[in-house]
Amino acid sequence: GAVVSQHPSWVICKSGTSVKIECRSLDFQATTMFWYRQFPKQSLMLMATSNEGSKATYEQGVEKDKFLINHASLTLSTLTVTSAHPEDSSFYICSARGLAGIYNEQFFGPGTRLTVL
Amino acid sequence: GQQVMQIPQYQHVQEGEDFTTYCNSSTTLSNIQWYKQRPGGHPVFLIQLVKSGEVKKQKRLTFQFGEAKKNSSLHITATQTTDVGTYFCAGYPIKAAGNKLTFGGGTRVLVKP
Repeated sequence: GAVVSQHPSWVICKSGTSVKIECRSLDFQATTMFWYRQFPKQSLMLMATSNEGSKATYEQGVEKDKFLINHASLTLSTLTVTSAHPEDSSFYICSARGLAGIYNEQFFGPGTRLTVL
Repeated sequence: GQQVMQIPQYQHVQEGEDFTTYCNSSTTLSNIQWYKQRPGGHPVFLIQLVKSGEVKKQKRLTFQFGEAKKNSSLHITATQTTDVGTYFCAGYPIKAAGNKLTFGGGTRVLVKP
């Protein structure tokens, strides 16, 4: 199956710093990538939809200036958490959808566990 | 807004027993997908159902899509310890814009050996 990688897998940072998370589709081209956050024992909450070469579409309540998304190529999307605070600590997961169809399955990355001290 | 609900939220199963988890959408879905997330892991795609009333099997797992395309179920027979994890259903609402996959809250499955 299709493989999506994320880097880093975990990160600990001080409050006020920025953290960049990379999401790569390794063996397919992803026209659309999605960024989710997941709190312990909860479902996935969609943060934004990222299309290659265009601005990301953010879900209601998600601050676009705090969670910067860049989708520069068909295989790479990045999420930057700017001026991170302890309440931003969470599990961030990206997923990618290929060219085959808009209703096709999504392939998830392994996730990035962010802890802000 | 469109909602996808799953019940039960938690499922404690004795190894060897069967169980079913249910997924209900407030709106009609174009398709339904099921994912499994192991503890500490990420969601992994299991299956997609598209047709009304469709039933698909994967070994001990049976997936069903309702006639009205608003509900789905996952039935696991002879539960094993490897079935531990959270099962999410997710669907694309027909009338929603943006083609966003909406996830249910998940059913967390614990297996007692």
